[in-house]
Amino acid sequence: AQKITQTQPGMFVQEKEAVTLDCTYDTSDPSYGLFWYKQPSSGEMIFLIYQGSYDQQNATEGRYSLNFQKARKSANLVISASQLGDSAMYFCAMREGWGDSSYKLIFGSGTRLLVRP
Amino acid sequence: IAGITQAPTSQILAAGRRMTLRCTQDMRHNAMYWYRQDLGLGLRLIHYSNTAGTTGKGEVPDGYSVSRANTDDFPLTLASAVPSQTSVYFCASSSQGGSNQPQHFGDGTRLSIL
Repeated sequence: AQKITQTQPGMFVQEKEAVTLDCTYDTSDPSYGLFWYKQPSSGEMIFLIYQGSYDQQNATEGRYSLNFQKARKSANLVISASQLGDSAMYFCAMREGWGDSSYKLIFGSGTRLLVRP
Repeated sequence: IAGITQAPTSQILAAGRRMTLRCTQDMRHNAMYWYRQDLGLGLRLIHYSNTAGTTGKGEVPDGYSVSRANTDDFPLTLASAVPSQTSVYFCASSSQGGSNQPQHFGDGTRLSIL
């Protein structure tokens, strides 16, 4: 069964508008973490934001925020005031459990975002 | 500049040949990982190492081997390359100091098997 699902292969957004990238996950472990990464056309993977399963508040990092709905098992990335440089591939990833053996990430298939001028 | 260095950047290889992808990090991270990225499939974990001297299998380990002789280096070897191993390979590392520690990625190696 797919653990991380990103249902939007591609999305467009107008410059300066906000956009939400969807991510749903599947786990029976009460302890997990969710990450979002950005991959520009140059290919590198850039860490954006993290949300822990026990965190009481939604994570925010500058223009990035995470809409974490635990009961729905969703962790959507919200980018506010989109910029042309936000055009990239975005990956949602999950880490299950705690402890020395549990730092592996499972990635979704990604969403390609194109910001229109 | 601290980070992860992968070599080579790209390589074209004949099927059946042996190939080692190199990965070095200078952040003193305990954990290291190898992923492959294929179109439409995201990143899939090949092998990982939680600490020097230990390794583990990920989601797609067949045809690959790794070693972790020290903290900094984590080479990935294809013993006998096949065309299905054509992919972009990423090495990553993370601190195990906290559950919220992200993985840091190298710039990737683009490998084509003919």
